[in-house]
Amino acid sequence: DAGVTQSPTHLIKTRGQQVTLRCSPKSGHDTVSWYQQALGQGPQFIFQYYEEEERQRGNFPDRFSGHQFPNYSSELNVNALLLGDSALYLCASSPPDIRPGELFFGEGSRLTVL
Amino acid sequence: RKEVEQDPGPFNVPEGATVAFNCTYSNSASQSFFWYRQDCRKEPKLLMSVYSSGNEDGRFTAQLNRASQYISLLIRDSKLSDSATYLCVVNGGDSSYKLIFGSGTRLLVRP
Repeated sequence: DAGVTQSPTHLIKTRGQQVTLRCSPKSGHDTVSWYQQALGQGPQFIFQYYEEEERQRGNFPDRFSGHQFPNYSSELNVNALLLGDSALYLCASSPPDIRPGELFFGEGSRLTVL
Repeated sequence: RKEVEQDPGPFNVPEGATVAFNCTYSNSASQSFFWYRQDCRKEPKLLMSVYSSGNEDGRFTAQLNRASQYISLLIRDSKLSDSATYLCVVNGGDSSYKLIFGSGTRLLVRP
């Protein structure tokens, strides 16, 4: 049973570019959350998708957007990249009716912005 | 003030030692509490949920003090494999799906 898979694993972009990160949730999971983890910090909540809609959003600018597809997979898009967007982007999935907080994370996409 | 505060460590302990981590949280409306473990350059993994009555899972014991907004994790008989960063996590409040992570406490267990 595959866990949460993310792609790409590493990528390098320049300031002003746009990036799309992809996530496939664990089998049977219908909810996907995205987190940003800067070096030496804990993950920060970007947003959560459920039933193809953004259910809750953290304190991130509109440059960060997402999508969830009917098969529950998800994308995170970041426009007009800034140096400060360099981080590990983690996707986490959870099944229905699970206690909030019991998340299964993917290995992340490590983004470097030059 | 950070929403979840942890001592960054590192805590450097010998095998077999008992070590305790603490964290405080600022949102009194938080309802769910967790400890996650993160190995170097890996994804966080749920270690255990924390319940009001306290709970134990093998060598790991978690406690919650809602009045003081304080969470603890005790590891007994430390193993080399326990070396990792331990993240204290709370949800963002009643009916919130957002998880708020502390910056983590780094544990190094030496032979």
